[in-house]
Amino acid sequence: DVKVTQSSRYLVKRTGEKVFLECVQDMDHENMFWYRQDPGLGLRLIYFSYDVKMKEKGDIPEGYSVSREKKERFSLILESASTNQTSMYLCASSPRGLAGPETQYFGPGTRLLVL
Amino acid sequence: QKEVEQNSGPLSVPEGAIASLNCTYSDRGSQSFFWYRQYSGKSPELIMSIYSNGDKEDGRFTAQLNKASQYVSLLIRDSQPSDSATYLCAVGGEGDYKLSFGAGTTVTVRA
Repeated sequence: DVKVTQSSRYLVKRTGEKVFLECVQDMDHENMFWYRQDPGLGLRLIYFSYDVKMKEKGDIPEGYSVSREKKERFSLILESASTNQTSMYLCASSPRGLAGPETQYFGPGTRLLVL
Repeated sequence: QKEVEQNSGPLSVPEGAIASLNCTYSDRGSQSFFWYRQYSGKSPELIMSIYSNGDKEDGRFTAQLNKASQYVSLLIRDSQPSDSATYLCAVGGEGDYKLSFGAGTTVTVRA
């Protein structure tokens, strides 16, 4: 079974704090993704990584950065948290497909509240 | 931006009925198609993947793909209250790493 774990299920931070969200997968997947999910807006891709030390911006990268120093770990960093970053954050991983994207497996999510 | 549109919900069906979910996509080069189920407060989990035109059945779930019409659907037969969830359609293009997700359709199965 593919397992994707996230460091926290719930997190409360203050405006201006630096926030680290960690994601670890145990299936040797090449690709890892960070999404946020908000009511009425669906899943929105923040950043993704297709290899160690490689990263690409998704649809809403502003205010976020990422780090992938090891294949199994992908971190999302909120440099200076703001209230509009209150959201559910979902990490996912997938193997590298031969012809196109393969199934993404999601972690349990981190519900972040910024006060 | 590749667009994925799902029929707006919520969709309410009686227990035992068929729930029909529809999804259209804008990128004609799309190659891989997925249906995820997401319970309230939980993360999405994969139900079905489909890559070729036609039908694919897995238990009470059937995915149907028509690339010419750029249309993929999910049928849930003999709907159960445990099927009450939001269903996400996801589409991937050739040579791409990422998926494009629809906004989801919420299904409620009435006992």
